[in-house]
Amino acid sequence: GENVEQHPSTLSVQEGDSAVIKCTYSDSASNYFPWYKQELGKRPQLIIDIRSNVGEKKDQRIAVTLNKTAKHFSLHITETQPEDSAVYFCAASKGGGTSYGKLTFGQGTILTVHP
Amino acid sequence: SAVISQKPSRDICQRGTSLTIQCQVDSQVTMMFWYRQQPGQSLTLIATANQGSEATYESGFVIDKFPISRPNLTFSTLTVSNMSPEDSSIYLCSAPGIWPMDTQYFGPGTRLTVL
Repeated sequence: GENVEQHPSTLSVQEGDSAVIKCTYSDSASNYFPWYKQELGKRPQLIIDIRSNVGEKKDQRIAVTLNKTAKHFSLHITETQPEDSAVYFCAASKGGGTSYGKLTFGQGTILTVHP
Repeated sequence: SAVISQKPSRDICQRGTSLTIQCQVDSQVTMMFWYRQQPGQSLTLIATANQGSEATYESGFVIDKFPISRPNLTFSTLTVSNMSPEDSSIYLCSAPGIWPMDTQYFGPGTRLTVL
């Protein structure tokens, strides 16, 4: 089955700096890659996603890049703010048949943004 | 995005008992999913709740331990049976938005503590 590796496990940055979280996946059939932000005691919230037919997607301060050949994708947060502090999870999914909608998650990254 | 609610939000249970968790979605969806998040860990898919047929379980999860019901297109239940302290986790359901259907949104979770 699919395996998703996420690095780093913890990331500490100063307010205003950029943060980058990287994930690799094992199944070349995976074609959908969402990122979730989970604040303490809250549900995971979808913040951005990318599909295998594009290489990059941006939404204000957040961007995701995908390299299908290398089977890795990354989350980039620019101009970080203290409210960006949370646990971030990457995930992978492959469409079609019985796998549709199923997500395999990375291990998570604890991001701390210091004021 | 889908609006998803879960009940109960938390519970403390005794070893050997069972707990049924409810998940309600504000729109009809073909698939719903149940995940487990152990303390300080990532999310792991337990099973897919299929309307009109038996749930599909992931490796390591069995129907006798985690029976699932899906009586209609907006509701599902997950039962954690014969609980032990190792079952202490957050249990989350997910469902897709209107389109695309592989985009998953999560319920608020049920925090279960087994004594």
